[in-house]
Amino acid sequence: GENVEQHPSTLSVQEGDSAVIKCTYSDSASNYFPWYKQELGKRPQLIIDIRSNVGEKKDQRIAVTLNKTAKHFSLHITETQPEDSAVYFCAASTGEGNEKLTFGTGTRLTIIP
Amino acid sequence: DVKVTQSSRYLVKRTGEKVFLECVQDMDHENMFWYRQDPGLGLRLIYFSYDVKMKEKGDIPEGYSVSREKKERFSLILESASTNQTSMYLCASSSDGAHTDTQYFGPGTRLTVL
Repeated sequence: GENVEQHPSTLSVQEGDSAVIKCTYSDSASNYFPWYKQELGKRPQLIIDIRSNVGEKKDQRIAVTLNKTAKHFSLHITETQPEDSAVYFCAASTGEGNEKLTFGTGTRLTIIP
Repeated sequence: DVKVTQSSRYLVKRTGEKVFLECVQDMDHENMFWYRQDPGLGLRLIYFSYDVKMKEKGDIPEGYSVSREKKERFSLILESASTNQTSMYLCASSSDGAHTDTQYFGPGTRLTVL
């Protein structure tokens, strides 16, 4: 089955700097890669996703890049703000609506004011 | 707006008790999932369901069972709770439509087994 590895497990950045979180996956059939954000005491929520037919996707200050050959994808947050502090999870699946997601182990991002 | 609710936010049970965790979604989603969340281990899939009365094992099904008698409700059952099942349990749902893979999570149930 799919295995998703996520690094780093913790990340601290100064407010205004950029943050990058990286994930690798094992199943070459995976073609859907979402990122979820979980604020303290709250439920995970989708913040951005990418499918294998594109190499990059942006939404304001966040972007995701995908390298299918190397089987890795990354989340980039620019101009970080205190509200970006949270745990971020990457995931992978084959992209069918009823297919399960395999999640990474999470990255705790702390923005230092 | 999708709403996924779970029956309890906090639950304390004793070893050997039978425990029921309930999840309800109001968006007519076909797919429902149960995860447990532990520090450093991320979200691990216990069971999922594509349809009423259908169930599939996830990555860590041992010690758990599920029931889906109605489309909107997915129950997780711990037949005989053990201390290593102390965890945060998250339910999620998703639609079967094309390019609609987003999973919507419930608020979680923090279960403590004494």
